[in-house]
Amino acid sequence: GAVVSQHPSWVICKSGTSVKIECRSLDFQATTMFWYRQFPKQSLMLMATSNEGSKATYEQGVEKDKFLINHASLTLSTLTVTSAHPEDSSFYICSAARLEDLFFGPGTRLTVL
Amino acid sequence: AQTVTQSQPEMSVQEAETVTLSCTYDTSENNYYLFWYKQPPSRQMILVIRQEAYKQQNATENRFSVNFQKAAKSFSLKISDSQLGDTAMYFCAFMKGSSNTGKLIFGQGTTLQVKP
Repeated sequence: GAVVSQHPSWVICKSGTSVKIECRSLDFQATTMFWYRQFPKQSLMLMATSNEGSKATYEQGVEKDKFLINHASLTLSTLTVTSAHPEDSSFYICSAARLEDLFFGPGTRLTVL
Repeated sequence: AQTVTQSQPEMSVQEAETVTLSCTYDTSENNYYLFWYKQPPSRQMILVIRQEAYKQQNATENRFSVNFQKAAKSFSLKISDSQLGDTAMYFCAFMKGSSNTGKLIFGQGTTLQVKP
């Protein structure tokens, strides 16, 4: 099956700094990728839809200036958490669509001190 | 707006027995897909089963099967011959038809513990 990778798998940063998370489709091209956030023992909440070559579409309540998404190529989308605070600590998961199938990345655990 | 509800936060089952996880959803769409995903402790999301709304026949994948009741907007997952490796969090998810491919709405999740 298709593979989606995320880097890093775990990152710890200080409050006020910015963190970039990468999502790559390794063996297929993805014009659309999705970013989810998952707090411990909770469900996945869709944050935004990342569209190659255009602006991301954010879900209601998600601050677009805080969670910057860039989809510069057909195999890479990045999520940058700007001026991170402890409440941004969470598990971030991306997914990519290929035809009618969806493939999830392994997730990135962000801890903000 | 679409909603997905899983009313069982936690469930347990003895190894080799059968367990059913419940899921209901609400939508005004006629063309959509429903999924069950498994999230083990590694947190990697794994597709368990998928159902197209236009198909009346319930989807099956080996030990996993669904009971899709479109009129009742119900989509339960049955796991037969439960195995220790089935221990995980299970999410029911909804996706609109092809124009929104990939955009999933998840239920709250059910944590399943398979006991030896």
